[in-house]
Amino acid sequence: GESVGLHLPTLSVQEGDNSIINCAYSNSASDYFIWYKQESGKGPQFIIDIRSNMDKRQGQRVTVLLNKTVKHLSLQIAATQPGDSAVYFCAENYNNAGNMLTFGGGTRLMVKP
Amino acid sequence: DGGITQSPKYLFRKEGQNVTLSCEQNLNHDAMYWYRQDPGQGLRLIYYSQIVNDFQKGDIAEGYSVSREKKESFPLTVTSAQKNPTAFYLCASSLGGFNQPQHFGDGTRLSIL
Repeated sequence: GESVGLHLPTLSVQEGDNSIINCAYSNSASDYFIWYKQESGKGPQFIIDIRSNMDKRQGQRVTVLLNKTVKHLSLQIAATQPGDSAVYFCAENYNNAGNMLTFGGGTRLMVKP
Repeated sequence: DGGITQSPKYLFRKEGQNVTLSCEQNLNHDAMYWYRQDPGQGLRLIYYSQIVNDFQKGDIAEGYSVSREKKESFPLTVTSAQKNPTAFYLCASSLGGFNQPQHFGDGTRLSIL
């Protein structure tokens, strides 16, 4: 399969545990944030998004937390499963004149059975 | 099913040759994007188009060209001027306007012979 990142930070968790993936963003003016999941050989898959007027948003088994004070974003995955193993990217919208995204470098999540 | 189709999955380029990567979407999205992904790095924007017959350079446009003659299609040409073309290329699309998630195809892996 395609290697999307050879030297990424890696988070290793036991199946069934909760996972927390963190992201520090750069632009205090950013007002929209997205988490993507990328499996080997595939394109990024949208997981969840959040706007800056919120500090928490929940989806199915996932929660995104936004702390604008310290420019920090986190993705929490409940009851992590082997199928959650992938690289996770955060992205921020940095240009309100369009829909441009700036992507973080990614974190590899490895789920141990 | 609606989605974004990139072809081919793998592509090989000889020295001095131009190659064109295809991206087609049937999501009725106005905006389309091309990114380059290298190991250990996040996605970098090559070109984007917010509407038919209009496109703008991204952060790393040198050595690349695009066209947007149809809403559904946004082909990327990697020219011989791009001296380091080996990478994973990702196409995305989104609704027009602000703060819309981008949805990705499954990429084209370009290598040099």
